[in-house]
Amino acid sequence: DTGVSQNPRHKITKRGQNVTFRCDPISEHNRLYWYRQTLGQGPEFLTYFQNEAQLEKSRLLSDRFSAERPKGSFSTLEIQRTEQGDSAMYLCASSLAAGGPYEQYFGPGTRLTVT
Amino acid sequence: AQKITQTQPGMFVQEKEAVTLDCTYDTSDQSYGLFWYKQPSSGEMIFLIYQGSYDEQNATEGRYSLNFQKARKSANLVISASQLGDSAMYFCAMREGDTGGFKTIFGAGTRLFVKA
Repeated sequence: DTGVSQNPRHKITKRGQNVTFRCDPISEHNRLYWYRQTLGQGPEFLTYFQNEAQLEKSRLLSDRFSAERPKGSFSTLEIQRTEQGDSAMYLCASSLAAGGPYEQYFGPGTRLTVT
Repeated sequence: AQKITQTQPGMFVQEKEAVTLDCTYDTSDQSYGLFWYKQPSSGEMIFLIYQGSYDEQNATEGRYSLNFQKARKSANLVISASQLGDSAMYFCAMREGDTGGFKTIFGAGTRLFVKA
């Protein structure tokens, strides 16, 4: 399968624990995006990479959140000291950097539940 | 500031009929892109259609067309000949800038129900 993949698909954790999610984009895509989606809402932008450079971060991304894309391929999103308000679907998307219209292809998401 | 408004939380349509899902946007940029995505109950977001701010023709992709009215800042999605498989959440989204690297913001979505 050549689509965007995310692991794990589901994560249940206790408040205060750290969690890490992984995203593998479409191989030729050099842009990678992270979003958070809560029930009944559209995705909210968190951060975006072009290759290994993190070019933009939302104010939603508190100090407890960090994202990396060390070799410009897969990316990880870590949440430290999780809170119940972090419970959401975390979506990863990738796109090309040239040739337009730069539509994003989404992965299936990681659903986080903080108890 | 960028903003996307979808005023229809839910819509019903009879199978084989056409339906229009509304989307208005707000931006101060001259260059931007507008997208529609479909999210079935399985959860995965599926790209449907794109309209660039400088495109003079309305975009079409199969049964999907985008009714772009720039002066009104609206980008409504029209689905023709609705099918039961079209039942899903639909999100309108906007990206400012023409190089593709800027963040994309999404509306709250419209849930479409197709009746047999």
